[in-house]
Amino acid sequence: GESVGLHLPTLSVQEGDNSIINCAYSNSASDYFIWYKQESGKGPQFIIDIRSNMDKRQGQRVTVLLNKTVKHLSLQIAATQPGDSAVYFCAEKKGAQKLVFGQGTRLTINP
Amino acid sequence: NAGVTQTPKFQVLKTGQSMTLQCAQDMNHEYMSWYRQDPGMGLRLIHYSVGAGITDQGEVPNGYNVSRSTTEDFPLRLLSAAPSQTSVYFCASTSGHGYTFGSGTRLTVV
Repeated sequence: GESVGLHLPTLSVQEGDNSIINCAYSNSASDYFIWYKQESGKGPQFIIDIRSNMDKRQGQRVTVLLNKTVKHLSLQIAATQPGDSAVYFCAEKKGAQKLVFGQGTRLTINP
Repeated sequence: NAGVTQTPKFQVLKTGQSMTLQCAQDMNHEYMSWYRQDPGMGLRLIHYSVGAGITDQGEVPNGYNVSRSTTEDFPLRLLSAAPSQTSVYFCASTSGHGYTFGSGTRLTVV
């Protein structure tokens, strides 16, 4: 079936290091992907998105890479800070604005 | 600009009770949706609406009803609450991409 999944449920990094969060998807027809950050007790917050006709997109300290050959999506966070601690979700847009979410990766920052 | 506002933030229901979770957005977004989030899981789509008067089912619609009489409001109704509906509920809206989520309603059914 169609699904969006993440490789690891947890990720710990040292403050100042770069973080890479991965996501695999199975629907090759998907044309739009989004990364969300969810802090404890809050709703998901939009980080960055990418369309399927792109391989890479950069934002402030974040980069999303899309590899359509292997159906893989990654979120790179540069110079990770304590405020980056959260659960990160990838989501795939499927027709009529519907989003399908992965299970999430909890990012923990070590001082 | 308040974005997406959900009320209440917390609710405890007894099995069989009914209630309505409110969602309002002030961004004039056509598309609105409801998700539930269970522990250790991603968000699952319950119902969505592409505009006033139009609603459709998502991934897990059973036990929930919605209506969309105005662009701003998209309430979610539980007709007869069940313990399996204990979850955190999120409402979201978008004009095309860059979805905005509310802060959630934590519902416990006992």
